[in-house]
Amino acid sequence: EVQLVESGGGLVQPGGSLRLSCAASGFTVSSNYMSWVRQGPGKGLEWVSLIYSGGDTRYGDSVKGRVTISRDNSKNTLYLQMNNVRAEDTAVYYCARGYSSGWNFDYWGQGTLVTVSS
Amino acid sequence: QSALTQPASVSGSPGQSITISCTGTSSDVGGFNYVSWYQQHPGKAPKLMIYDVTKRPSGVSNRFSGSKSANTASLTVSGLQAEDEADYYCTSYTSSSTLVFGGGTKLTVL
Repeated sequence: EVQLVESGGGLVQPGGSLRLSCAASGFTVSSNYMSWVRQGPGKGLEWVSLIYSGGDTRYGDSVKGRVTISRDNSKNTLYLQMNNVRAEDTAVYYCARGYSSGWNFDYWGQGTLVTVSS
Repeated sequence: QSALTQPASVSGSPGQSITISCTGTSSDVGGFNYVSWYQQHPGKAPKLMIYDVTKRPSGVSNRFSGSKSANTASLTVSGLQAEDEADYYCTSYTSSSTLVFGGGTKLTVL
């Protein structure tokens, strides 16, 4: 059974850093495109980042230069390192598995809440 | 990259059909057949309903269908049921090798 479990969210001050984790089971992270998608409180979904199976990465304009997506193949885990966070980064962060082209998401985690506030 | 444009809300009665539009540009919706649609119930993770414009993942009802014309994609839900009430989001791959979401549409079943 495919499962994605995010962790690492919490309260962080503006300008601070946070690393989100997404532990996968039932499939191999490194064999799939994997993405992070976020949803601000009462807002819509926003794509954050993607890592190709080959290891290349892509980022949304609102986070480029401040976040880094990575994976640990030995732990079958996806990460999102967030630096210099801003209030507008406050959101539930979901990890999701790519499907077909890799830019569709067939499995999602339950999400982890990041709150940026002083 | 600007968000794709969706109507804020649509509604329909049980048994009726509704269509949700998703308008982008030639750099996203119009340039690629990589449009997807997601359904999201309150407090839940999104669920993939349509991918590659017209394809349905296994297990998704055939009451859901997708189409595209030029820079506008559409999701049609036929035979509306109470459980279809949810938020719906479109996405498209872009010429910058990124992904853009629509702003979301709240579907109300009257």
